[in-house]
Amino acid sequence: EAQVTQNPRYLITVTGKKLTVTCSQNMNHEYMSWYRQDPGLGLRQIYYSMNVEVTDKGDVPEGYKVSRKEKRNFPLILESPSPNQTSLYFCASSTMAGENAEAFFGQGTRLTVV
Amino acid sequence: AQKITQTQPGMFVQEKEAVTLDCTYDTSDPSYGLFWYKQPSSGEMIFLIYQGSYDQQNATEGRYSLNFQKARKSANLVISASQLGDSAMYFCAMREGPIYAGNMLTFGGGTRLMVKP
Repeated sequence: EAQVTQNPRYLITVTGKKLTVTCSQNMNHEYMSWYRQDPGLGLRQIYYSMNVEVTDKGDVPEGYKVSRKEKRNFPLILESPSPNQTSLYFCASSTMAGENAEAFFGQGTRLTVV
Repeated sequence: AQKITQTQPGMFVQEKEAVTLDCTYDTSDPSYGLFWYKQPSSGEMIFLIYQGSYDQQNATEGRYSLNFQKARKSANLVISASQLGDSAMYFCAMREGPIYAGNMLTFGGGTRLMVKP
């Protein structure tokens, strides 16, 4: 089954404790991205990657890091989480098509930083 | 300026009636794509329907149709014969230009739809 898998689904952590949210896709997509969802703001892109070792900032990259060492994996790293990073996070993947490229989303990771 | 605006934070519809969810967008790019996603209470994002800026006809997918008015820059989602399972958050999104040029999906703030039995 074609899917994007994120782990963990739920995470509660303390301020400053480094964490990684994993994302893996089995559709051989070149394009992967991370979004955060906050009430009233919709989804905002954090980082994206157009291929292995190619990453770039989205709209809200501060406080986050990513890496793309393999095509299927695109982990999101919070080196020193803060309470304002409490949010619902989504990983998505797409083919490298035109403006019609549909984004396939993972199940979401609900992160709480206390 | 907001690229995607959804002016209805929440709305109710009676079961079996049709409902229109509003979406207006702002772009100067002649080539763009418009998407609608559904997010049920379980949290996942489900793709519903797509409309390309050059498409001559309004997109339809089962009970979903997109009322695309290019001159007014609106792309409203119409759900016919609402069902209880349609209760969810709905997001309108736009991609300006091709993904291979690094163009991201930009989302509106969402509309929460509640279907009344």
